[in-house]
Amino acid sequence: QVQLVESGGGVVQPGRSLRLSCAASGFTFSSYAMHWVRQPPGKGLEWVAVISYDGGNKYYADSVQGRFSISRDNSKSTLYLQVNSLGAEDTAVYYCVKDDGEFGFIYWGQGTLVSVSS
Amino acid sequence: SYELTQPPSVSVSPGQTARITCSGDTLPKQYAYWYQQKPGQAPVVVIYKDNERPSGIPERFSGSSSGTTVTLTISGVQAEDEGDYYCQSADSSGTHRVFGGGTKVTVL
Repeated sequence: QVQLVESGGGVVQPGRSLRLSCAASGFTFSSYAMHWVRQPPGKGLEWVAVISYDGGNKYYADSVQGRFSISRDNSKSTLYLQVNSLGAEDTAVYYCVKDDGEFGFIYWGQGTLVSVSS
Repeated sequence: SYELTQPPSVSVSPGQTARITCSGDTLPKQYAYWYQQKPGQAPVVVIYKDNERPSGIPERFSGSSSGTTVTLTISGVQAEDEGDYYCQSADSSGTHRVFGGGTKVTVL
């Protein structure tokens, strides 16, 4: 079955950086686009970024453009999110999500919490 | 940037029907998805591609579309249906995804 396991979250000071990882299994990782979605505590879901199956195309939400970078290693079936210049507004649970081939999501990871605090 | 609009809350008695609307300009052209989220859990898709129901999702969940509005209907609501519901779609180019603000469903 499809499994997505995020890691790399934690408490980080404002202005610092972090790299989130998502280990995928149970499907042909290299055939699917992948996304990151985040959710601040007590708030709604926010789409963050997408990367195409081969890493050739990447798109970002306006709120993270220029600060976050999505990447993938198909040989390791792993998705990454490099988050830089973190601010309090980036505090959230970050979910790794598999594209369904249309415009939505069927499979979600359990999320990793990033908390930005001094 | 593109937006999807949902009501913040819906209250319904057990056994009654709950309807949650989601409005957005590109919904006539892009599929809509609905997710249920309970506290401390990842979202779960309950409707995909406007009106398709994944295996394992009860038949009381259904989706429909009309113009710029899509609707999630929960017929014969049960206490376990309480939670937050989010609609999701894509912008006109299909490159960016977007979520509605979420609707909290309360079973009275």
